[in-house]
Amino acid sequence: QIQLVQSGPELKKPGESVKISCKASGYTFTDYAMHWVKQAPGKGLKWMGWINTYTGKPTYADDFKGRFVFSLEASASTANLQISNLKNEDTATYFCARWPLGAAFDYWGQGVMVTVSS
Amino acid sequence: DIQMTQTPSSMPASLGERVTISCRASQGISNYLNWYQQKPDGTIKPLIYYTSNLQSGVPSRFSGSGSGTDYSLTISSLEPEDFAMYYCQQYDSSPWTFGGGTKLELK
Repeated sequence: QIQLVQSGPELKKPGESVKISCKASGYTFTDYAMHWVKQAPGKGLKWMGWINTYTGKPTYADDFKGRFVFSLEASASTANLQISNLKNEDTATYFCARWPLGAAFDYWGQGVMVTVSS
Repeated sequence: DIQMTQTPSSMPASLGERVTISCRASQGISNYLNWYQQKPDGTIKPLIYYTSNLQSGVPSRFSGSGSGTDYSLTISSLEPEDFAMYYCQQYDSSPWTFGGGTKLELK
């Protein structure tokens, strides 16, 4: 069955970096784009951008340009999100989500809680 | 950016009740509108894609409609598992944006 399994929760200090992963299984990884969505505590969903899993080309929403990097380990069917120079406002749950062209995000990871605190 | 305004932000409702959640875009989005359900454990599930298409495996009590800037999600008869958060999302233009969410609560 199709699954997106994300890495575990992270506790970081301001200024540190974090890399979270999203391992896909049950389908051909390069056939679907992977998107990233942020959810701050008690807040709604915010689209961060996406990565073309065939070419590796990332696209970032304006609020996520600079400190955020989407990458792939295509041989491992894994998409990664790296956040550098962490700030308190990066405290959130980060979801990966598969996107079939023209439709809704049909499979979501379970989310990774990243807590940034001194 | 296209702003998505979802109403109401919370809705008390009873089992068996018919409910409708609305989503208004700040500009036309050509039916590129999806709906999602998020449970208290954080799990997110797609319900409707491209305004009115039922996602595979989703019960037929869920339906979507709309055009232009105004869209809605209707649940025809509430079941216990339907009490959750609901989000609309436009994918007509980047950045894709979500509505603020509607919390469907048991009355």
